Amino acid sequence: AQSVTQPDIHITVSEGASLELRCNYSYGATPYLFWYVQSPGQGLQLLLKYFSGDTLVQGIKGFEAEFKRSQSSFNLRKPSVHWSDAAEYFCAVGAGNTDKLIFGTGTRLQVFP
Amino acid sequence: NAGVTQTPKFQVLKTGQSMTLQCAQDMNHEYMSWYRQDPGMGLRLIHYSVGAGITDQGEVPNGYNVSRSTTEDFPLRLLSAAPSQTSVYFCASSYSLESNYEQYFGPGTRLTVT
Repeated sequence: AQSVTQPDIHITVSEGASLELRCNYSYGATPYLFWYVQSPGQGLQLLLKYFSGDTLVQGIKGFEAEFKRSQSSFNLRKPSVHWSDAAEYFCAVGAGNTDKLIFGTGTRLQVFP
Repeated sequence: NAGVTQTPKFQVLKTGQSMTLQCAQDMNHEYMSWYRQDPGMGLRLIHYSVGAGITDQGEVPNGYNVSRSTTEDFPLRLLSAAPSQTSVYFCASSYSLESNYEQYFGPGTRLTVT
């Protein structure tokens, strides 16, 4: 069965520091992978997605993610965090030949000035 | 386009009451789904629909009913609310299988059952 693990529940960084949020997945075939961001009291917004091709994908708001098949990972990165990036981040995998998404439990990012 | 809309934004129910959470999309998406979000558990799929007249169960369907009479609307019904259904509910939609799974989410409904 498909699953997604986000091992970090809560991360705190200083503004301007680099960021990496971890995501590991379990899936038998080529995965479709996503990162979503949820600001407090808001719905989810798609940051970026990977389907095939270049393993380094660029998203909105300066985020990028790298798909590593050998490590079953899809980590999200940003070189310099802004205070407005404080939010909860969810990694998700497309579950088989449907539009069903399996979500990780999320990582809450706190940014200190 | 309004995208995916949900009503109400907040709701308080007493145990045993019933209600319907509304979801609508104006993007002509075939696929729609309902998730619930609970602290430390991420989003879990309740029910989904691949088109008008077709629905199926997700990961946590018990206590919820859905129907899909039109492409635009996908209401979620709680037949007899329980405190365990206190959660934030999100509706999402996407194009058909050719959409590459990009789902658009509504703003959510925060439900409290006392």
